[in-house]
Amino acid sequence: AQSVTQLDSQVPVFEEAPVELRCNYSSSVSVYLFWYVQYPNQGLQLLLKYLSGSTLVKGINGFEAEFNKSQTSFHLRKPSVHISDTAEYFCAVTRGDSSYKLIFGSGTRLLVRP
Amino acid sequence: ETGVTQTPRHLVMGMTNKKSLKCEQHLGHNAMYWYKQSAKKPLELMFVYSLEERVENNSVPSRFSPECPNSSHLFLHLHTLQPEDSALYLCASAGTSGGGGELFFGEGSRLTVL
Repeated sequence: AQSVTQLDSQVPVFEEAPVELRCNYSSSVSVYLFWYVQYPNQGLQLLLKYLSGSTLVKGINGFEAEFNKSQTSFHLRKPSVHISDTAEYFCAVTRGDSSYKLIFGSGTRLLVRP
Repeated sequence: ETGVTQTPRHLVMGMTNKKSLKCEQHLGHNAMYWYKQSAKKPLELMFVYSLEERVENNSVPSRFSPECPNSSHLFLHLHTLQPEDSALYLCASAGTSGGGGELFFGEGSRLTVL
């Protein structure tokens, strides 16, 4: 079975600083990986996804993530954050063999301070 | 109207009430999902419907009863709930029940059980 670990429950950072949100997964089969963002009082929105190919994936709002198979990681990064990036970020994994079951991590709250 | 719409956005009910949550998607998708989001816990997959057939029932108590009358509508019928069932219930849809398909989420229905 697949599982996802987001080690940091909250990450405080100052505006315009870089940020990395960590995600590790476990799986015995190939996987697809996702990052979703949830703004207050809203549903989840896809930031980016890795299915295959280049291990560096670029998403919306200036975010990017790198798939590292040997480290079983899919960390999310942004070189310069804005106040508006304050939100909850979820890493998710699904099996790469057409599984419908998306498994989410517990989430990391990014708090951007002025 | 586009996307995934959930109603009501907020619901307060007593433990003996019967209520329903409604989800409607206008994306032409053929898979629909119910997730439960509780504070400080990962998103929990409750049910998955693919082409109107339930393909996942993740050990959810029988006081939650899903219904998918067609590929655009999904309901969650609630009866004799417990206070610990208070949570944000998120509906999502996907263009395929297979892996690699992005989930599109509604804004959620915030349920409070008194």
